[in-house]
Amino acid sequence: GAVVSQHPSWVICKSGTSVKIECRSLDFQATTMFWYRQFPKQSLMLMATSNEGSKATYEQGVEKDKFLINHASLTLSTLTVTSAHPEDSSFYICSARVLLAALETQYFGPGTRLLVL
Amino acid sequence: QKEVEQDPGPLSVPEGAIVSLNCTYSNSAFQYFMWYRQYSRKGPELLMYTYSSGNKEDGRFTAQVDKSSKYISLFIRDSQPSDSATYLCAMSLYSSASKIIFGSGTRLSIRP
Repeated sequence: GAVVSQHPSWVICKSGTSVKIECRSLDFQATTMFWYRQFPKQSLMLMATSNEGSKATYEQGVEKDKFLINHASLTLSTLTVTSAHPEDSSFYICSARVLLAALETQYFGPGTRLLVL
Repeated sequence: QKEVEQDPGPLSVPEGAIVSLNCTYSNSAFQYFMWYRQYSRKGPELLMYTYSSGNKEDGRFTAQVDKSSKYISLFIRDSQPSDSATYLCAMSLYSSASKIIFGSGTRLSIRP
């Protein structure tokens, strides 16, 4: 099956610093990856769609200058939270679009828990 | 009004019971309906995927979609403690590979 990994799995940082989260497709190439955010006891909210070699498409209300997305290769997308603040503390999950058995779907990574102090 | 409504639970049932999880939605244009299982501090895992109305069965899991009522269900038969997780309904206009709208998830606990 398709495997998506994320690194780091958790990170604690001081307010004002930037944090980079990596999302990798381990055994397949992904031209499209998605970034989600999940607050405690709430649903996953799509932040942006990342396409290899082009600019990401951000959802309404998501600041593109704060959440920088780079999809420089077919197996790696990165999300950088710039000048992080406590309200950015959340669970960040990526997914990759994959075609398996004629079904096009998304496989999710294990998530990255960010705590901003 | 949220696009997708799901009772957050928690729902606690004894092992072996039949579990019924439900979601309602407001956008009649949704065509693809999914159920994901999410264990604590993990990413969601796709369980079931259906297109349009009808039933789909996979082992102990059955997904039902009633587009006329904008209502979807997931049934788990012979529930096991390992089924304890948060179950998220999700739906999409075009496919499960495009933008997905998730429900808030129902926390399920199966008591041994």
